[in-house]
Amino acid sequence: QQQVKQSPQSLIVQKGGISIINCAYENTAFDYFPWYQQFPGKGPALLIAIRPDVSEKKEGRFTISFNKSAKQFSLHIMDSQPGDSATYFCAAEMNRDDKIIFGKGTRLHILP
Amino acid sequence: EPEVTQTPSHQVTQMGQEVILRCVPISNHLYFYWYRQILGQKVEFLVSFYNNEISEKSEIFDDQFSVERPDGSNFTLKIRSTKLEDSAMYFCASRGDLGNTIYFGEGSWLTVV
Repeated sequence: QQQVKQSPQSLIVQKGGISIINCAYENTAFDYFPWYQQFPGKGPALLIAIRPDVSEKKEGRFTISFNKSAKQFSLHIMDSQPGDSATYFCAAEMNRDDKIIFGKGTRLHILP
Repeated sequence: EPEVTQTPSHQVTQMGQEVILRCVPISNHLYFYWYRQILGQKVEFLVSFYNNEISEKSEIFDDQFSVERPDGSNFTLKIRSTKLEDSAMYFCASRGDLGNTIYFGEGSWLTVV
């Protein structure tokens, strides 16, 4: 119940294309869903996050779509660029809880 | 932008040796964490620390692990007797309050041989 399931494990997208990464969760007590971006040799960095009271959040080229009834959420990267090549982790937190639960990560490679 | 700093960036140690990984969280933050990431795998929670005590720990965080905040700025993770399977990247993280963004350091890569 504490898991966050993420897919695909790896993704290759042409420059300018749309990258889509999907996540699913079981525990309805989760109420905060961040996405982290990690470059090789670096720590995860918060990219964008959403709470379940909204169905979509957009920041620049990055959009989270959230489906509360299906307990699924996804990250869309529009106009994908080679600099977006990184590992992306979806995650979940419970209100006032003290830890983040991470998905297994998606290694994204954008072809130039 | 303020950041979490970790030392060392990479450490190689013999199996059975003690290791201390050090972290300087962001200065006005109150909640501190250690996570680890085995090569190619997901980031796993180890322990959270608030008000000078452990607030939560995972099943990974057994008696071989301990954390300490010896002064007002440092936050350390000690592994008493390292095992081969402790080889991983260890991330320190901090945040100002529950519900706020967690900031991660760049990690300490531990290799146990």
